[in-house]
Amino acid sequence: ETGVTQSPTHLIKTRGQQVTLRCSSQSGHNTVSWYQQALGQGPQFIFQYYREEENGRGNFPPRFSGLQFPNYSSELNVNALELDDSALYLCASWSNGELFFGEGSRLTVL
Amino acid sequence: AQRVTQPEKLLSVFKGAPVELKCNYSYSGSPELFWYVQYSRQRLQLLLRHISRESIKGFTADLNKGETSFHLKKPFAQEEDSAMYYCALSRISGAAGNKLTFGGGTRVLVKP
Repeated sequence: ETGVTQSPTHLIKTRGQQVTLRCSSQSGHNTVSWYQQALGQGPQFIFQYYREEENGRGNFPPRFSGLQFPNYSSELNVNALELDDSALYLCASWSNGELFFGEGSRLTVL
Repeated sequence: AQRVTQPEKLLSVFKGAPVELKCNYSYSGSPELFWYVQYSRQRLQLLLRHISRESIKGFTADLNKGETSFHLKKPFAQEEDSAMYYCALSRISGAAGNKLTFGGGTRVLVKP
């Protein structure tokens, strides 16, 4: 058991809405990363947080934002949803050079 | 820019046959290479990483810097090896965690 849990598991939104996805990682895992996985593709890096600060970002627009909290939980927020935002969003935490993934939140934008 | 290419979307082999999943990368620095696996209805998990030089579940992968490849091999495939496999790359650094660049994945189907 990796200890990375995500919620919700599935959700449906409409174009233009905002969404917040949540992640809880194990105590002591102070680096968390978020990935977007579109259907039939590999995960794509969105951003990473270390000790509550963003310390790396992929090629995603500013409407993708995040937060990390002292209790090792984190959030991914997406504003002004677009149809192409439909994907599986994966949270992962680093420990001893290994990335542990959650099961993901599947977002559908209609 | 980092890029990882897995040219095969699907590999279908019979049980007991060898299997090789190809992975090529482009990166200007010193990379760290990984293979991740996702079994049916399970989360993505690390299979092996090149710096550990381990054999996991009978799989091995050798980093070939000259050919910029990190192919995954197993001499005798088992039905339980059926899964989605992703090759991934990050830069080597002392920082706690790094961006992983994933390939598009290869689905392996091992037939009885």
